[in-house]
Amino acid sequence: TQLLEQSPQFLSIQEGENLTVYCNSSSVFSSLQWYRQEPGEGPVLLVTVVTGGEVKKLKRLTFQFGDARKDSSLHITAAQPGDTGLYLCAGDDTNAGKSTFGDGTTLTVKP
Amino acid sequence: KAGVTQTPRYLIKTRGQQVTLSCSPISGHRSVSWYQQTPGQGLQFLFEYFSETQRNKGNFPGRFSGRQFSNSRSEMNVSTLELGDSALYLCASSLMDSNYGYTFGSGTRLTVV
Repeated sequence: TQLLEQSPQFLSIQEGENLTVYCNSSSVFSSLQWYRQEPGEGPVLLVTVVTGGEVKKLKRLTFQFGDARKDSSLHITAAQPGDTGLYLCAGDDTNAGKSTFGDGTTLTVKP
Repeated sequence: KAGVTQTPRYLIKTRGQQVTLSCSPISGHRSVSWYQQTPGQGLQFLFEYFSETQRNKGNFPGRFSGRQFSNSRSEMNVSTLELGDSALYLCASSLMDSNYGYTFGSGTRLTVV
């Protein structure tokens, strides 16, 4: 069974601060996704990374896929209250035909 | 284009009853997956349907079942409900598989009393 561990589990910061969320596994994934979920809603896909070492940027968010395709990080620059939410990483488990999700990082950005 | 539509949004059922949840995927998407989300277990994979066939299944008891119709719409059914079945049930739509991620619906919040 492939497992994904996210850290930290909870993060509370002030507006304008920078932060990094980590997603680690002992398994290799063919691709990895990051989602953001708000209370009462389904997760929304932010990015998919496929190639080891790949870096993708989405405005103030920077996503990196580890060289060995076992881990990933999400860095947010100058966080804003609108970034508040549950951030989930998910690894594609091609053999099982599903995504394996981490337990998530709950981010609170205070004004 | 329209997103993934799940109905109903909220449901309250009594132990022992059964329930059917519905999902309409994005037009053209042929794969529909179902996940259960709870505070303690996170998102757990239930099953995936592709072209009306169950292609993959998670580790849930046989009380959990599903199907997919020729228009790709999917339903999941839970029989003999237990208190522990209370959760947010999420439908995830994708073109072919999970490799490039999913588009999720808003979910059905099921409460079993």
